Formats: sequence, structure tokens, C-alpha cells
Amino acid sequence: AQSVTQLGSHVSVSEGALVLLRCNYSSSVPPYLFWYVQYPNQGLQLLLKYTTGATLVKGINGFEAEFKKSETSFHLTKPSAHMSDAAEYFCAVSESTGGFKTIFGAGTRLFVKA
Amino acid sequence: SAVISQKPSRDICQRGTSLTIQCQVDSQVTMMFWYRQQPGQSLTLIATANQGSEATYESGFVIDKFPISRPNLTFSTLTVSNMSPEDSSIYLCSVGTGGPTGELFFGEGSRLTVL
Repeated sequence: AQSVTQLGSHVSVSEGALVLLRCNYSSSVPPYLFWYVQYPNQGLQLLLKYTTGATLVKGINGFEAEFKKSETSFHLTKPSAHMSDAAEYFCAVSESTGGFKTIFGAGTRLFVKA
Repeated sequence: SAVISQKPSRDICQRGTSLTIQCQVDSQVTMMFWYRQQPGQSLTLIATANQGSEATYESGFVIDKFPISRPNLTFSTLTVSNMSPEDSSIYLCSVGTGGPTGELFFGEGSRLTVL
């Protein structure tokens, strides 16, 4: 079975600083990888995803992530943090099971300091 | 895309009672999922609900505790039975429209508190 590990349950950055949220996965087959964001009292929404092709994927709100097979990683970055980026971020992996299902990491809460 | 409405958005329930959560989608979808998000934690998949077949439950979740109905391609219900305080969570309905490579769409969740 596939799994996802997010390093760091809380990350704090200053406004304008680089955001780096770490995600490692385990999979015996090529993975489908996702980053979702959850703002307070809201459901999750997709930031970006990797399925095939280019390993550097760009998402909404200036976020991007790079799939590194050799490191089994899919870290999320943003060059310059904004106060509005404060939220919970979830890395996820999808697997086919006849149908399919998506497994989520534990989440990383991002704090942005003024 | 898909827009998902869940009811109730929140509820406070007594121990030993049951609550049914409804999930309505604005389009026909094959795959529907129910997740639980306990306070401060990640999402845990409870079950996959496909129209016309029995729900498929994940390890640790059983039908007697979390019965699911999926009468058509736009609606599903999840019942939390014989509730205890440990069932206090946010329950999220989700749909997938693009298979394993596609995005999941989520409702805003049903926040359940069991006293």
C-alpha cells in the first residue's frame, strides 16, 4: 500500500520568505501525487498535482512542487510567502484499486509572520 | 468540477444516538468517498461509495458503525451509529471525477460533537 509522510506538523515563515513543505511517499508503482490546501473551516482544494511528464509542476497561488523519483519526494515550494498562505497543507497519493482511492499525509500547518 | 453540499454543517449529539450526514453533488459522479478528520489531524478514508454496489470500507471502519447509502449518482449518506465522544470529528464527503489522476472535490464538512 502507498503512504505519505509530511515532515513537520508546523512550519513558520516570515512574510516574503521562501516556503518549503516537505513530502515523501512510498509506492511500488509510479505514483500520482497531489498537494491540497485547507483554509480554516473550509473543505480542501487542489493546489497542484503530478501524474506524468514534467516533474516540476506549477499550481495555484504561486506554488510549485517537484517530483523526484530518486528521493521519493514531492516537496511544495513558494518563493515568497504571503499572509494569505496561512493554512493547512496536505500531500496526498492516489492509487488504483479497481477503482481508486487517495491517501493523505498528516498535514503541515503553515504560519506566516508579518 | 463538482460542487458538494453537506448537511448538517455541524451538530451536537448525545452519546449512544445516531446521526445521518447527507452529501449532495451538483453533477453525476461515479466515485464518492467519505473521510473523517479528527481534531488537528489528517483525513482518514472511511469508505468508498459507488452507486449500485456495497460501499468498500477501509481497515478499522465497519458497516455496522458507519452504514453508507448511495441511491443514485448525485447523493450519498453516511450514518454514524451509536456515537461516543471518540466519534467527534469532521466528516467530509468527496468526489473524484477523473480517476486516480484527477482532482478530488470536497464538501465543507460536517462537524460532529458527541457529548
